[in-house]
Amino acid sequence: GENVEQHPSTLSVQEGDSAVIKCTYSDSASNYFPWYKQELGKGPQLIIDIRSNVGEKKDQRIAVTLNKTAKHFSLHITETQPEDSAVYFCAASGDDMRFGAGTRLTVKP
Amino acid sequence: EPEVTQTPSHQVTQMGQEVILRCVPISNHLYFYWYRQILGQKVEFLVSFYNNEISEKSEIFDDQFSVERPDGSNFTLKIRSTKLEDSAMYFCASSAFGPKPAYEQYFGPGTRLTVT
Repeated sequence: GENVEQHPSTLSVQEGDSAVIKCTYSDSASNYFPWYKQELGKGPQLIIDIRSNVGEKKDQRIAVTLNKTAKHFSLHITETQPEDSAVYFCAASGDDMRFGAGTRLTVKP
Repeated sequence: EPEVTQTPSHQVTQMGQEVILRCVPISNHLYFYWYRQILGQKVEFLVSFYNNEISEKSEIFDDQFSVERPDGSNFTLKIRSTKLEDSAMYFCASSAFGPKPAYEQYFGPGTRLTVT
């Protein structure tokens, strides 16, 4: 089955800096790659996603890139703000959705 | 904005007891999912459900688990005889399309299950 690896497990940045979270997946049949933000005590919230026929997608301060050949995808957050602090999960989906272990992002004011 | 709702928010049960976790998916969605998250760990897929049938299930979803859509709005997860290791957050999700290829899934706030 699919195996998703996510790095780093924790990331601390200064407000205004950029943050990058990277994931790799194992199943070449996976074709949908969402990113979720999870705040304390809440469910995962979809923030951006990308499909296998697209290499990059951007939504305001958030962008995701996908390299299908290398089987890796990344989340980029620019101009980080304290409210971006949360746990971020990547996921890869084919027959079912498998999540990475999560990255705890802390944005220091 | 439509959202997935789950009840109860917290359920405490004794080992060996049956529990039913309830979810109301977004009203025009057709695909439903259960996930669990053990404290501090990754979100794990349990099962997907469409047209009153299980579409996919993971190795975690053994005979102790069952899902049902008892009416037009609710989607339930039943654990027949709870074990200590079933303690986790259980998330319901729904999507308008899918599950192959996968589409956007929207998650509920979760039910925290504590087995004592």
